[in-house]
Amino acid sequence: NAGVTQTPKFRVLKTGQSMTLLCAQDMNHEYMYWYRQDPGMGLRLIHYSVGEGTTAKGEVPDGYNVSRLKKQNFLLGLESAAPSQTSVYFCASSTGQGYGYTFGSGTRLTVV
Amino acid sequence: GQQLNQSPQSMFIQEGEDVSMNCTSSSIFNTWLWYKQDPGEGPVLLIALYKAGELTSNGRLTAQFGITRKDSFLNISASIPSDVGIYFCAGRHTGTASKLTFGTGTRLQVTL
Repeated sequence: NAGVTQTPKFRVLKTGQSMTLLCAQDMNHEYMYWYRQDPGMGLRLIHYSVGEGTTAKGEVPDGYNVSRLKKQNFLLGLESAAPSQTSVYFCASSTGQGYGYTFGSGTRLTVV
Repeated sequence: GQQLNQSPQSMFIQEGEDVSMNCTSSSIFNTWLWYKQDPGEGPVLLIALYKAGELTSNGRLTAQFGITRKDSFLNISASIPSDVGIYFCAGRHTGTASKLTFGTGTRLQVTL
């Protein structure tokens, strides 16, 4: 069982470049989430999805876009990367039935 | 956005000692969860609490859902080196698409 898989694991971008982070889950979970983790800030919700074809904004959505075209995949896009988006990004999924999330192992992104 | 106040921020203890950490919120949650994050990995669920006053154990870990529903506590007994990591609390409100609000984390370091 792979659980939640994130690609890539590491990436360095120049300011203004774009990229897409991929998240795939094989647990048939309805709900998926993107969080960013910064030192001393814990995990902050960027965007989330409650099912295929749906997305919604979280706490810190500015500068990011998402898509959930297939139930198992949740994509996070940065259209024009900024140094403030240097962070570790985590994808998570859940059944939405009151249980905890299953997290991926993260993508470490550096914007220079 | 709201974040949970988690304390202490970091702890440096000796192997065999007991550890206590807590999390407080300005609002009420209907679920409290505790996660552990190892270096380079995503958080992993340790304990989930669903009712005020609930006390739940998972091996050497014990967590409690505060009576006011605004706080939670995690205790680790007889710490061992593999307990090293960052511990996060997380809370969930009713009817919020299962979104979790995370604490800022407690970094635990254990010496022999």
